[in-house]
Amino acid sequence: AQKITQTQPGMFVQEKEAVTLDCTYDTSDPSYGLFWYKQPSSGEMIFLIYQGSYDQQNATEGRYSLNFQKARKSANLVISASQLGDSAMYFCAIASSGSARQLTFGSGTQLTVLP
Amino acid sequence: DTAVSQTPKYLVTQMGNDKSIKCEQNLGHDTMYWYKQDSKKFLKIMFSYNNKELIINETVPNRFSPKSPDKAHLNLHINSLELGDSAVYFCASSPWGGGRIRTDTQYFGPGTRLTVL
Repeated sequence: AQKITQTQPGMFVQEKEAVTLDCTYDTSDPSYGLFWYKQPSSGEMIFLIYQGSYDQQNATEGRYSLNFQKARKSANLVISASQLGDSAMYFCAIASSGSARQLTFGSGTQLTVLP
Repeated sequence: DTAVSQTPKYLVTQMGNDKSIKCEQNLGHDTMYWYKQDSKKFLKIMFSYNNKELIINETVPNRFSPKSPDKAHLNLHINSLELGDSAVYFCASSPWGGGRIRTDTQYFGPGTRLTVL
């Protein structure tokens, strides 16, 4: 069984500052992928960034980067230069290399960017 | 040109009724999913279909029945609706697994908010 833990129910950050959202995972699969999704107040789920368990480098996508520490089983999302539009719920999720690639989600972190 | 669409966006109905939610994707993906997001925002997989074949069937009441007429569509039919069925239901799609997990990134529809009165 796989598990994602997000220990920060809510986070605040000042506009233009960087923020780190924590995610730890548990899996017995040697091959897996970690995903981050954003859910703004409008409700849609937006894919942000992916990190594979065998990727040598931390993933980056624009202002999003992933601080992947495999030995610690953590995959923290870093958002640089926060914008007001970054205010949203952020979900970390894991999928294994098995034939059925369902996502197991964490409980989410509500990020509020302050002007 | 919406990639994954769901209808309706909102659904308000009485307990005991039967309702359906439709999902369509135009991404050419082979796999489609249904997730349920409860009032605490927790997301959980319900079903997954690959090329019209059911591959994931989590512990969900048998009042919920998915149907996939073709690989671009996955509908969710719910019989005898209960108060506890109130939630947001998300459809998602991804290319078929077997390749790299990254290529199986799931793309979500806008969600259907179901309210059972």
